[in-house]
Amino acid sequence: SAVISQKPSRDICQRGTSLTIQCQVDSQVTMMFWYRQQPGQSLTLIATANQGSEATYESGFVIDKFPISRPNLTFSTLTVSNMSPEDSSIYLCSVAGWSTGANVLTFGAGSRLTVL
Amino acid sequence: AQTVTQSQPEMSVQEAETVTLSCTYDTSESDYYLFWYKQPPSRQMILVIRQEAYKQQNATENRFSVNFQKAAKSFSLKISDSQLGDAAMYFCAYRTLIQGAQKLVFGQGTRLTINP
Repeated sequence: SAVISQKPSRDICQRGTSLTIQCQVDSQVTMMFWYRQQPGQSLTLIATANQGSEATYESGFVIDKFPISRPNLTFSTLTVSNMSPEDSSIYLCSVAGWSTGANVLTFGAGSRLTVL
Repeated sequence: AQTVTQSQPEMSVQEAETVTLSCTYDTSESDYYLFWYKQPPSRQMILVIRQEAYKQQNATENRFSVNFQKAAKSFSLKISDSQLGDAAMYFCAYRTLIQGAQKLVFGQGTRLTINP
């Protein structure tokens, strides 16, 4: 299955700043997703990253707050903009398709963000 | 929209014993996938087992097996011969087969503790 590298692994950020999280896959995949996991909670889908076009956002998430890029079939970024303490979460990249099999999502190790 | 419910926030079991984690879901679709993921303290999401809804036979992976009751919309996970390394959060997840909407919908999670 695909190997996913997420950077940064963790970070402590100041209120009002923005941080970009990178997701690099070692093989081409058809689908890439970004999830948020708030402390002690389950995973919630933020958006589906579409190659070469705008991401598809879930209800409650907007592009201005969580801009996403996906320039090719192996890489995506998620930016958390104008952060507040409520954005403190683990952000996880997940992928599916081709090397991973279309029906199974593989996850990165996540990026733990703490906003002060 | 599909929903997934895990009614047991926490479970504990003695090492070497058997434990069953419950999961129910709601959907109007006839074909879909169901998954159990494990998230240890390292926060890496690890696929434990999956079930295709069109298959009547319950999936099995070594010490892990499911009891899939399609009519009842129930998908429980049985862990046999529990080991200390099984301690983790376990998430039940649903995935539609509808093209373009193949995200995972997660339950709230069950924290499993293994007592030595």
